[in-house]
Amino acid sequence: QQQVKQSPQSLIVQKGGISIINCAYENTAFDYFPWYQQFPGKGPALLIAIRPDVSEKKEGRFTISFNKSAKQFSLHIMDSQPGDSATYFCAANTRGSTLGRLYFGRGTQLTVWP
Amino acid sequence: DAGITQSPRHKVTETGTPVTLRCHQTENHRYMYWYRQDPGHGLRLIHYSYGVKDTDKGEVSDGYSVSRSKTEDFLLTLESATSSQTSVYFCAISDRLAVPTDTQYFGPGTRLTVL
Repeated sequence: QQQVKQSPQSLIVQKGGISIINCAYENTAFDYFPWYQQFPGKGPALLIAIRPDVSEKKEGRFTISFNKSAKQFSLHIMDSQPGDSATYFCAANTRGSTLGRLYFGRGTQLTVWP
Repeated sequence: DAGITQSPRHKVTETGTPVTLRCHQTENHRYMYWYRQDPGHGLRLIHYSYGVKDTDKGEVSDGYSVSRSKTEDFLLTLESATSSQTSVYFCAISDRLAVPTDTQYFGPGTRLTVL
């Protein structure tokens, strides 16, 4: 059973456009929601993260929107650039868990073309 | 890559042979994880460790074993490699004492091909 469902699987956006990636979860115990960015040939790296006490977090062109009642969260990339072309993973975990295990979505391959 | 190295970075092996992948960290983080990444499946947890000699299974542990005899090293062994284990393997570390974040830091990966 997949704990975090991510869509779309792939996304093509024109330079300057908005990229939107969505994730949904069922486990209401989740209380930490990070997004990871992965470039080809590299390991994933933390991009931005949110906790459920806020509905939005913004860092530069990247924004997480969080809807606790719908159990959904999304990543918005404003003014998308070719350098944003990468695979993006959403994830979730429970900080109360002693094991620190992250549950990942299956990833979205983003291509931004000039 | 946050003081994480993986070795080897690339390996080609034959079906039925044992393979050991190594993850080494210089961050003194307590938690270590092994993932495999396959197209359409994202990152799937194989095994993890929450201290020296303390390990547990993830969601895709069949055919894999791990050992952690020192804080800095976490070994993943494919007991008898199969073609279905062809994948990219990532090690990750986490220091859950570092509140308020539970960030996992990933290594550069090992690309394994089983012929």
